[in-house]
Formats: sequence, structure tokens, C-alpha cells
Amino acid sequence: SQKIEQNSEALNIQEGKTATLTCNYTNYSPAYLQWYRQDPGRGPVFLLLIRENEKEKRKERLKVTFDTTLKQSLFHITASQPADSATYLCALDIGQAGTALIFGKGTTLSVSS
Amino acid sequence: ETGVTQSPTHLIKTRGQQVTLRCSSQSGHNTVSWYQQALGQGPQFIFQYYREEENGRGNFPPRFSGLQFPNYSSELNVNALELDDSALYLCASSYQGPNEQYFGPGTRLTVT
Repeated sequence: SQKIEQNSEALNIQEGKTATLTCNYTNYSPAYLQWYRQDPGRGPVFLLLIRENEKEKRKERLKVTFDTTLKQSLFHITASQPADSATYLCALDIGQAGTALIFGKGTTLSVSS
Repeated sequence: ETGVTQSPTHLIKTRGQQVTLRCSSQSGHNTVSWYQQALGQGPQFIFQYYREEENGRGNFPPRFSGLQFPNYSSELNVNALELDDSALYLCASSYQGPNEQYFGPGTRLTVT
């Protein structure tokens, strides 16, 4: 069956450390993968999109990697801050050019000062 | 630039009733997607509309239907409501293609 797994439901780290979140999938062959942030009671907010032919993408303190052989994406937040505390969602684009995003359950990150 | 808006914010319905949720897309976007998010879960894809036509559908029964209007706003209709339909319903607008989606704040539906 097709699955998307985000490594853990909750991740607790100290301010200033690097947070690493994992997204693994099976039986999909996505051409694109996206990461979103969701705060309680709000809609997801887009962070990064990476294509299957890109190994790595960066945006400020964020970095995402995409390994289509391992069927895995890693999402890193460097120099984490308490304001980074939120749920982070991995989404596979499995439709024909953006017609369907399939989300994982998310990982809730808590950054303590 | 106006963001994605949804109405109503909260809604309580009785099992068996019908509900209509509304979404206004971000200015310039021609595609709208609808998602259902149960508590503690990620959003689940319901369907997507592009130029007023359904352009993809997830694993939801036909009692979930939608419309997209010429101004790219959209409606999600759910008939014969069931208790399991209680969730946060999110709409997201985008340009057609593999682009980021801009989500609204959602409509919290409770079915009793």
C-alpha cells in the first residue's frame, strides 16, 4: 500500500540546535515534494518545494533534501528558535503536474529556550 | 494582494444534513484544492478544480462535490453528513501545475 511516514509525531530540541525531520514514502514516485508549516488552528503555510532532479534546496535557515532512491526527504532547520515551534508537514505531489498533494501526519517540533 | 478566505469559520450540523463551505482564492490563482483534516492527522486531498472543471479527486465518496466559479472562488458541498465528516476543511489556491499552494484558515465542521 502507499504510505507517507514522518519520523516522529513530536521532536523536542533546544534553541540554537539543528532540527532534522524525516519524511519517508513507499509505493509513490513523486516528481515534486513540498514542506509546509502548520500552527494550531491555522492552515498550512508553504515553506519549500523540491523537484526529483534536485538533491537539495535551501531557504534562509531551512534546507530540504530529496533522495528518490531511498524514497526519503530530510528537512533541516538550523539555529532553531522558539518561534519555529509548529507542526511540519511533508507533501508528495503525485498528480499530473500538481493535481494532488498527499500529506504525511506531520511532526510537531518544540524548541525550548 | 488578498489571501485565501473561507466561510464560515465554524459550523455545527446534524447527521444526515447537507453543508456548503465557501472559499475565495488568492488574487490571480486559477486552481483551488480542497482538503479534509481530522484532528492529529495531515490534510487529506478531496479534489481540485481548474477552470471550473474537476481536475483530480482523492478517495472520497460522491456525496462530496464541488464547484468553481468564473472568478475562481469555490464551494465544497457535502450531502448526507456522517459523524466522521467532523473535521477541519481547508481550501488552497494556486497556479495550475506543481506550485506551492496557499491555504485558507479552514472551516471547522462538527457533525452531531
